[in-house]
Amino acid sequence: GQQVMQIPQYQHVQEGEDFTTYCNSSTTLSNIQWYKQRPGGHPVFLIQLVKSGEVKKQKRLTFQFGEAKKNSSLHITATQTTDVGTYFCAGLVVEGGSEKLVFGKGTKLTVNP
Amino acid sequence: SAVISQKPSRDICQRGTSLTIQCQVDSQVTMMFWYRQQPGQSLTLIATANQGSEATYESGFVIDKFPISRPNLTFSTLTVSNMSPEDSSIYLCSVDGWRIRPGETQYFGPGTRLLVL
Repeated sequence: GQQVMQIPQYQHVQEGEDFTTYCNSSTTLSNIQWYKQRPGGHPVFLIQLVKSGEVKKQKRLTFQFGEAKKNSSLHITATQTTDVGTYFCAGLVVEGGSEKLVFGKGTKLTVNP
Repeated sequence: SAVISQKPSRDICQRGTSLTIQCQVDSQVTMMFWYRQQPGQSLTLIATANQGSEATYESGFVIDKFPISRPNLTFSTLTVSNMSPEDSSIYLCSVDGWRIRPGETQYFGPGTRLLVL
């Protein structure tokens, strides 16, 4: 079935350093979504990208969707301890005539104060 | 109050038994989704539950193991049958968030943490 690859699996940074996680799909995505899951919590929607080459910003977070709509990235500038958690990308794919979200494996971010 | 609630929030069960997880939504929604998140892993879609029709299961998941009910537009249940330790996971229900908060594509419940001994 359709897979969305996400790297790295883990990332440990010092507070103030930048952080980036990448997602890649073998097929074109209808859209890509990003979720954050705090330790012990449930996934919380961050943003959705729909257009080819789209870039969206949320304060220190920058989200990009590739021109071919097959890859995406999330970049956090100057990480803070509140950024700790696992970040998942999820691609909306058409499979068997219906749409479904396919999640990447996630990148677990830890921040050293 | 929470938009989506799940019961139970956690449970410890013996192998061979079954557990039914409830998902209640404050708003009427057409599609509800059930996911499984094994420890330290990503989310895997189990099935899509539409009101008035049988649930649609993803590859690797079958109705006998994970029967689902969807009696109305605000409620669904997922049963984990004949449990084994491999079923130990977090089970999450979700709905199309845009019906609840415009711009939000999918909204997850708090999850049910299941440990099977």
